[in-house]
Amino acid sequence: AQSVTQLDSQVPVFEEAPVELRCNYSSSVSVYLFWYVQYPNQGLQLLLKYLSGSTLVKGINGFEAEFNKSQTSFHLRKPSVHISDTAEYFCARENTGFQKLVFGTGTRLLVSP
Amino acid sequence: DGGITQSPKYLFRKEGQNVTLSCEQNLNHDAMYWYRQDPGQGLRLIYYSQIVNDFQKGDIAEGYSVSREKKESFPLTVTSAQKNPTAFYLCASSMGQGSGANVLTFGAGSRLTVL
Repeated sequence: AQSVTQLDSQVPVFEEAPVELRCNYSSSVSVYLFWYVQYPNQGLQLLLKYLSGSTLVKGINGFEAEFNKSQTSFHLRKPSVHISDTAEYFCARENTGFQKLVFGTGTRLLVSP
Repeated sequence: DGGITQSPKYLFRKEGQNVTLSCEQNLNHDAMYWYRQDPGQGLRLIYYSQIVNDFQKGDIAEGYSVSREKKESFPLTVTSAQKNPTAFYLCASSMGQGSGANVLTFGAGSRLTVL
């Protein structure tokens, strides 16, 4: 079955430090990958997506992610986090053309001063 | 501004009652979705609809029902058959098939608590 694994349920980090949120997906012939962010008591909004082409994808708010086919990973990174980045982050996949997203269980990023 | 409106934001229900959560979009999207979110479990798909007057069960459809009579609207009814309905419910929409990757736009959610 198609799956997405986010091994870290919570990642604490100090302000201005770098952060990496990990995402692995089960192998598939062709897949789209996404990162969404959810602020408290709100819906999700798209951070970035990988469809094809360059494996380094840049998104909003200074986030980027790298698609690694050999390791079936799509880790999210930011070189310097802010307090306002405190939120829950979800990795998701879509088998090309299948039109249904499968979400990971989420990683809560806690940024402290 | 285009977007998705979910109502109510908070809802309390007694056991044995049905409740209906509203979801309206003005994005002219063909596809609409309902997800349930529980702590530590991510988002799980309840129902989805790719076109008016048609919908399909997702992964956890038991105890829920939907309708799609209008393109803009996709209400979700949580029935008394749903054994553990307390959760945060998210509605989403997308352009649908033929539009490439399925980028979802989400509403702000409805939190249902069963007393």
